[in-house]
Amino acid sequence: QQQVKQSPQSLIVQKGGISIINCAYENTAFDYFPWYQQFPGKGPALLIAIRPDVSEKKEGRFTISFNKSAKQFSLHIMDSQPGDSATYFCAASMNTGFQKLVFGTGTRLLVSP
Amino acid sequence: EPEVTQTPSHQVTQMGQEVILRCVPISNHLYFYWYRQILGQKVEFLVSFYNNEISEKSEIFDDQFSVERPDGSNFTLKIRSTKLEDSAMYFCASKNRGQVLHFGDGTRLSIL
Repeated sequence: QQQVKQSPQSLIVQKGGISIINCAYENTAFDYFPWYQQFPGKGPALLIAIRPDVSEKKEGRFTISFNKSAKQFSLHIMDSQPGDSATYFCAASMNTGFQKLVFGTGTRLLVSP
Repeated sequence: EPEVTQTPSHQVTQMGQEVILRCVPISNHLYFYWYRQILGQKVEFLVSFYNNEISEKSEIFDDQFSVERPDGSNFTLKIRSTKLEDSAMYFCASKNRGQVLHFGDGTRLSIL
């Protein structure tokens, strides 16, 4: 019940296209859903996050869509650029002070020029 | 921008040896974490630390693991007797009362 399932495992998108990564969770106690971006040799860096009281959050080219009833959330990257090529992790946590993040398995995105 | 720093970037150790991974969290942060990532797999929670004590630990964090905040700036992870399966990237993370968790760039631990 602590798992977060993420798909696809890898994704190739042409420059200018839309990248979509999906995640699903079981634990309804989760109430914070961040997406992290990780470049090779670097730690995960927060990209965008959402709480379940909204269905969508947009920051620049990045949008999270959240479906509370389906217990699913997704990351959309509009106008994908080669610089977006990285591994993306969804995660979830409960609203406690300690915020133990449960990560998805990651999606390796390659944006071709 | 303040960042979490980890040393060393790569640690090679013989099986059975003790290893200490070091982290300097962001200075005004109160919550400290260790996560690990086995090559090609997801990032897994190991332990959280607050107010000078462990607040939560995972099943991975057994008696061979310990954490310490020996002074006001460093946060360490010790593995007493390393095993081959401890080979992974170890990430330190910290946060303040908000929910943005900041990760360091990790220490790659290789057990021979």
